[in-house]
Amino acid sequence: DGGITQSPKYLFRKEGQNVTLSCEQNLNHDAMYWYRQDPGQGLRLIYYSQIVNDFQKGDIAEGYSVSREKKESFPLTVTSAQKNPTAFYLCASSDRGRTDTQYFGPGTRLTVL
Amino acid sequence: DQQVKQNSPSLSVQEGRISILNCDYTNSMFDYFLWYKKYPAEGPTFLISISSIKDKNEDGRFTVFLNKSAKHLSLHIVPSQPGDSAVYFCAASAPGGGSNYKLTFGKGTLLTVNP
Repeated sequence: DGGITQSPKYLFRKEGQNVTLSCEQNLNHDAMYWYRQDPGQGLRLIYYSQIVNDFQKGDIAEGYSVSREKKESFPLTVTSAQKNPTAFYLCASSDRGRTDTQYFGPGTRLTVL
Repeated sequence: DQQVKQNSPSLSVQEGRISILNCDYTNSMFDYFLWYKKYPAEGPTFLISISSIKDKNEDGRFTVFLNKSAKHLSLHIVPSQPGDSAVYFCAASAPGGGSNYKLTFGKGTLLTVNP
């Protein structure tokens, strides 16, 4: 049963702590993405990776870091430098063509207290 | 600077009628457009897409129309069903550049289909 998994569904952290969000896919997709959604807003791209061991900054990369050591995994670390980390985080994956559809995981709701 | 605009935050229609969701864009380089549907606390689900070489694409109850000269696209849902109630996002991408995999999203329109 192919798909994208994100864990955990809900995550709480204290201010000043780094936190890592998990994203795994078994769709054999080369490209993976991280987006952030805030209330009443569209999705904004944080980072994307077109291939293993390569990734690029999106529109709002400040305060975030990623790694792509395996094709199926693209974890996102929200660092203490991110000024407003509380948000809904969405991971997506696609084949490498630009017009290949991006498929999304169920998301992680991060709340920083 | 919002390059993809969904000017109606919400839309309410009766079951069985047509739902029309609108999207405008400002970047003339956009050449590929998608619609996603999203339920609360879930990831978006892909619905339908259209390339700029077409002006219409149909998939079952869903049809997307593209008017390039007006930089406008719309999603028609016929007939509307209560299960269609969700937030609908319009997204667009442009070729070239360092972020050629980037999708630019609108803010979404909340569709409510009343039984």
